[in-house]
Amino acid sequence: EVQLVESGGGLEQPGRSLRLSCTASGFTFGAYAMTWVRQAPGKGLEWVGFIRSNTYGGTTEYAASVKGRFSISRDDSKSIAYLQMNSLKTEDTAVYYCTRGDTFVTHWGQGTLVTVSS
Amino acid sequence: DIQMTQSPSSLSASVGDRVTITCRASQGISNYLAWFQQKPGKAPKSLIYAASTLHSGVPSNFSGSGSGTDFTLTISSLQPEDFATYYCQQYNYYPRTFGQGTKVEIK
Repeated sequence: EVQLVESGGGLEQPGRSLRLSCTASGFTFGAYAMTWVRQAPGKGLEWVGFIRSNTYGGTTEYAASVKGRFSISRDDSKSIAYLQMNSLKTEDTAVYYCTRGDTFVTHWGQGTLVTVSS
Repeated sequence: DIQMTQSPSSLSASVGDRVTITCRASQGISNYLAWFQQKPGKAPKSLIYAASTLHSGVPSNFSGSGSGTDFTLTISSLQPEDFATYYCQQYNYYPRTFGQGTKVEIK
């Protein structure tokens, strides 16, 4: 069974950093792109970015709202995708989901809440 | 960026009703469109990809159609478990973009 479990969320102050993890199981993690999507309280879904599989260079794409502040990486040996969030802003407050895939998203994690507030 | 506009933003319907949700892209995206369902407090669920292909396990009362800029999600006979918010997403261009969502409520 495919499972994605996000962790690392919590309360952080503006300007600080936080790293989220997405731990995968039930599939060959290294064969898949991994995507991060967020949802601010009471709002819709916002695509954050994704990382290709290493077969396709492990390169990344980001939304303009996070480019230069957030970075996505992966550790295929541990089946974990990371979202490093730097220079946090109050508008980054959201539930962050990881998903398997990019053009063919099949599974979502349960999400982890990030609150940015002083 | 590609803008995805869903209509309506919300609708009220009864069990057994046929429901249609429209998603329009600001420029052509071929058939690179997905639909997701989200219930309150839960993670989204993938319903449809490539505009019209149902993911495994998705009930057959869901269907999708369209190509280019105009797409529809149809629920042929609304069931109690279908009351939720639905999102479209284009994946032809970066950044990927979602519609604002359509909330399907019980009449």
